[in-house]
Amino acid sequence: GAGVSQSPSNKVTEKGKDVELRCDPISGHTALYWYRQSLGQGLEFLIYFQGNSAPDKSGLPSDRFSAERTGGSVSTLTIQRTQQEDSAVYLCASSLRSGGAGEQYFGPGTRLTVT
Amino acid sequence: GDSVTQMEGPVTLSEEAFLTINCTYTATGYPSLFWYVQYPGEGLQLLLKATKADDKGSNKGFEATYRKETTSFHLEKGSVQVSDSAVYFCALSGTGGSQGNLIFGKGTKLSVKP
Repeated sequence: GAGVSQSPSNKVTEKGKDVELRCDPISGHTALYWYRQSLGQGLEFLIYFQGNSAPDKSGLPSDRFSAERTGGSVSTLTIQRTQQEDSAVYLCASSLRSGGAGEQYFGPGTRLTVT
Repeated sequence: GDSVTQMEGPVTLSEEAFLTINCTYTATGYPSLFWYVQYPGEGLQLLLKATKADDKGSNKGFEATYRKETTSFHLEKGSVQVSDSAVYFCALSGTGGSQGNLIFGKGTKLSVKP
C-alpha cells in the first residue's frame, strides 16, 4: 500500500519568505509526527497530531513555525519569514495511534534550503 | 529530559566482520527502544524494537537487547554485508505523556567494504 508521502521533495526559498510543507500519512493512521533533520542538531521532534489536535506544540523552534492537520489526514507545516537556520530536511511520520510502542512510518522528507 | 547517546561514526568494516553500535539512554519512565536505519537516498525505516526490559529485538540478522540495568540498547550483527552500509539511529519513545514522539541519537554511519 501507499506509504507516507511528502511534498515538495526539495524547496529552495529566499530568506524572509513563507513556505508550506505537506504530509500525506498512511490511510487510517491517527497519529502524525513532524521532525527536522539537520547536520548540527540531528533529528529533532517538532510536533505531533492525534487526529486533528496537536496537544503539545513545545517542540516547535519558534513562533514562526505552525502546523495544522485537517480531516485526520493531510498535515501542513508552515514556516513564516524563513531564516537560514531553518535549512534542514523536514520529515513526517505516521502511526496507527500515538503512544510509545507503535512503529512510526517515515516519509522521504522535504529538503528545505533557505538562501 | 529523556535523551539518547550513541557512538560517533563513521564506522568502516570489512564484509563479514562483527558489528556493534553502542547506544545508551536516559529516561524518567519506561520507554520503548528502537533502531532505525536510513539507507543512501532512502527514508528512515524501523529496523527493530523492544518495548520492555530484557526484550530482544531482531531483524535482518541484527539484534539488540533492552538492558534496564545499564540503560543500554546496543545494536549487533555477526556478519555485515556491503548492503548494510547506511546510517543507524537509536531512538526511544518519549515518556512524557502519551504522545510517543521519538527521541533520536545523532546517528552512526556504517560503511562496509567488500
